[in-house]
Amino acid sequence: DVKVTQSSRYLVKRTGEKVFLECVQDMDHENMFWYRQDPGLGLRLIYFSYDVKMKEKGDIPEGYSVSREKKERFSLILESASTNQTSMYLCASSFNAGRRKKTNEKLLFGSGTQLSVL
Amino acid sequence: AQRVTQPEKLLSVFKGAPVELKCNYSYSGSPELFWYVQYSRQRLQLLLRHISRESIKGFTADLNKGETSFHLKKPFAQEEDSAMYYCAPLQQGGKLIFGQGTELSVKP
Repeated sequence: DVKVTQSSRYLVKRTGEKVFLECVQDMDHENMFWYRQDPGLGLRLIYFSYDVKMKEKGDIPEGYSVSREKKERFSLILESASTNQTSMYLCASSFNAGRRKKTNEKLLFGSGTQLSVL
Repeated sequence: AQRVTQPEKLLSVFKGAPVELKCNYSYSGSPELFWYVQYSRQRLQLLLRHISRESIKGFTADLNKGETSFHLKKPFAQEEDSAMYYCAPLQQGGKLIFGQGTELSVKP
């Protein structure tokens, strides 16, 4: 069963800590995404990547960075965690439609990481 | 900037009643739109996409370019339809932007 796996389901960190959220997909997808999900705000895109070592800012990149050293792994980094980064973080992946000459494929999501910053 | 609006945070209906979840977008060109759903304790997943013109779990969605809307409809709601629903237009480059979400609650 193909899937997107996020390493932690729940995470509790202290203000100022450096936090790593890991995401791995086993579908050979080119595209990978990090969203945060907050009640009343929906999903907001933080960063995305179209290929290894490539990254693009989403709508709310401030306070975050990412790393894509291997095709299957996309890491989200909080350099210095703050309380306003308490949220549910969702990773997703998809094929690159243009490269594969297909219509845009659906996003497949991980189960999420609930991060609490105290 | 492209925007998507889901005006209702919560929609509560009784079992067997019709349901319509509203979605309006601002987009230049020909949009490609999706509805995603998240059931309790499950992953966010694709429900349907407008390009397929399909009906999934009894839901349909018609793209109305004149009104720039992509409302999700079902004639007879079921309790198992209770979930969070997100409208999502596709941006250039393959990234989805999501609406704020509408929580559908179907009461027995």
